[in-house]
Amino acid sequence: NAGVTQTPKFQVLKTGQSMTLQCAQDMNHNSMYWYRQDPGMGLRLIYYSASEGTTDKGEVPNGYNVSRLNKREFSLRLESAAPSQTSVYFCASSVQGRYGYTFGSGTRLTVV
Amino acid sequence: GEDVEQSLFLSVREGDSSVINCTYTDSSSTYLYWYKQEPGAGLQLLTYIFSNMDMKQDQRLTVLLNKKDKHLSLRIADTQTGDSAIYFCAENKGAGGSYIPTFGRGTSLIVHP
Repeated sequence: NAGVTQTPKFQVLKTGQSMTLQCAQDMNHNSMYWYRQDPGMGLRLIYYSASEGTTDKGEVPNGYNVSRLNKREFSLRLESAAPSQTSVYFCASSVQGRYGYTFGSGTRLTVV
Repeated sequence: GEDVEQSLFLSVREGDSSVINCTYTDSSSTYLYWYKQEPGAGLQLLTYIFSNMDMKQDQRLTVLLNKKDKHLSLRIADTQTGDSAIYFCAENKGAGGSYIPTFGRGTSLIVHP
């Protein structure tokens, strides 16, 4: 099925461990985004990539890095996980912000 | 203040109409969106409206846009228990030739039988 695929769906990390969240889209979209969702906080933008080869910080980038590997893939890396990074992470893509954004099903991350 | 504001909760009876309201800040937003999130799932695009429109209707959904007041609303007619979910309003913000969606905190719609 066409859409945005995120892996893994669930992950438990210990404080200080690192991991990479993967995101891939097969809709030929130019722009890709990483959000985190916390109870009562809505969605907050971590990083985005307007087009292949570019990345920019969003509202809450501290503690994260991203890589736009190619047009399809946009990964999010936690170098040294902290309990404050416990959240649900969503990847999204769009045609440069037009006609709506397609979301993945999310990665539920717990840092203990 | 927040860029996009929505009330947090709305409770309605099955069969009634639901109206979810939203205010946004960026008058240059070209698109405004309504998304639905069911428990444990990602966000699903319900509908969007161009900034040069006042109203858009799509089956049971009606979107009204008041650009002067930067107010957006979503009306769901004949609300069903399956409509229970969190509804997010979002605006598009221009950013260097692209756009970034900014979301409200979401309105939890609870539909009582």
